[in-house]
Amino acid sequence: GENVEQHPSTLSVQEGDSAVIKCTYSDSASNYFPWYKQELGKRPQLIIDIRSNVGEKKDQRIAVTLNKTAKHFSLHITETQPEDSAVYFCAASRAAAGNKLTFGGGTRVLVKP
Amino acid sequence: ETGVTQSPTHLIKTRGQQVTLRCSSQSGHNTVSWYQQALGQGPQFIFQYYREEENGRGNFPPRFSGLQFPNYSSELNVNALELDDSALYLCATGGESGNTIYFGEGSWLTVV
Repeated sequence: GENVEQHPSTLSVQEGDSAVIKCTYSDSASNYFPWYKQELGKRPQLIIDIRSNVGEKKDQRIAVTLNKTAKHFSLHITETQPEDSAVYFCAASRAAAGNKLTFGGGTRVLVKP
Repeated sequence: ETGVTQSPTHLIKTRGQQVTLRCSSQSGHNTVSWYQQALGQGPQFIFQYYREEENGRGNFPPRFSGLQFPNYSSELNVNALELDDSALYLCATGGESGNTIYFGEGSWLTVV
C-alpha cells in the first residue's frame, strides 16, 4: 500500500519568512496530492491540491510542487503570518480510489511574530 | 463550509460500550469515507462506502463497521470500545472522478 513520509515534524519560522514542507510517497500510481491545514481542535481543511498532470500550482502565498519521477511533493508558504501557525498534513491517493487518502505524519508550523 | 455534517460533536463512552457516529453531506456525493485521527497523528483511513457498499478498508478490526444509506448519509459503528479508540473521527465526501475530498467537523470520542 501507499506510504507517505513528511518532513520536518516541526518548523519554526520568523514572520515574513518562507516555510517549506516536503513529502515523499511510495505508490507510483498515486495521482492526487492534497495539503490540509489543521488548527487545534478543528478538522483538517484543504488549502491546496495538485494532480499528477501538473508540476506546480500556486494560490496566493501558497504553492505546491510535484516531482513524479522522484515521487515527492512540497508545500511552500511565502510571507508567513502568525495565522499560518497550525499542523499541516500532506496526503496522496489514486483518483480511482475515491476518498482513500494516505496521510503523512504532519508538520507543526510555528510562525513567530 | 464543506457541507459535510457530523454528529455528535463530542461524546464520552465507557470501555466495552458501543457507539454510532453519523455523517451527512449536502452535496449528495455517493462516496463517503471515515477516518480516525488519534491525538498528535495524521488521519488513518478506516473504510469507504460507495453506493451503499463497502469499497475499501484500512487496517481496522471488524468491530469497526459502517453503513451508507440511499440518501448517501453514513454511520460509523464501533463495538466493544477500547481506550485506544479515543480519537477524532472524521467523515469525508467527494473524491469521485478525482474530485476534491472534504472533511466534516468530526466527532470527538473519549473512551474511559
